[in-house]
Amino acid sequence: QKEVEQNSGPLSVPEGAIASLNCTYSDRGSQSFFWYRQYSGKSPELIMSIYSNGDKEDGRFTAQLNKASQYVSLLIRDSQPSDSATYLCAVTNRDTDKLIFGTGTRLQVFP
Amino acid sequence: DVKVTQSSRYLVKRTGEKVFLECVQDMDHENMFWYRQDPGLGLRLIYFSYDVKMKEKGDIPEGYSVSREKKERFSLILESASTNQTSMYLCAIETGAGNEQFFGPGTRLTVL
Repeated sequence: QKEVEQNSGPLSVPEGAIASLNCTYSDRGSQSFFWYRQYSGKSPELIMSIYSNGDKEDGRFTAQLNKASQYVSLLIRDSQPSDSATYLCAVTNRDTDKLIFGTGTRLQVFP
Repeated sequence: DVKVTQSSRYLVKRTGEKVFLECVQDMDHENMFWYRQDPGLGLRLIYFSYDVKMKEKGDIPEGYSVSREKKERFSLILESASTNQTSMYLCAIETGAGNEQFFGPGTRLTVL
């Protein structure tokens, strides 16, 4: 079992819809959770951090964390074609405190 | 804003060459990281450093070494480049605020 799992996609949504990206992790002791956006050929860009159970909103982005289910998600409201990218989930390892990355979900927003 | 720069965006080297990839930050952050990113494998940690002259192996250190002589500069060295080291190399710094890491623009290295 991979430590951080994401569906590779592509996830295709129409412009204006809500995109829902999901991530599960295996380390029950993980404390910090992150979402990165990566455009093709570019480096990852941090878009959300979440540390406690529940929702955290920032503009059109909402991160949701459920530690009991070992599940973290990212919702993108009013999706735009410019949101088309690969979204990486990252989780800290309890023992090493290092980030473990998922392989990413490719999101396509079509006009 | 956090600023991380890397010495080259694209690099082409030949098998057996010694390769230096440099990463520079403009703040006073202690923690710096080198990753490589390959399709289907995601980001994998090569080496990291918590301070000047300190280095720790990550998950895939074989074939690499690092140098951190000054706090703002963290170099990744490929002692003898091989074709399986063709990859995107990403440097990151950690701000200390909840393990948030910020990446440089990356270096796409091709070894022929």
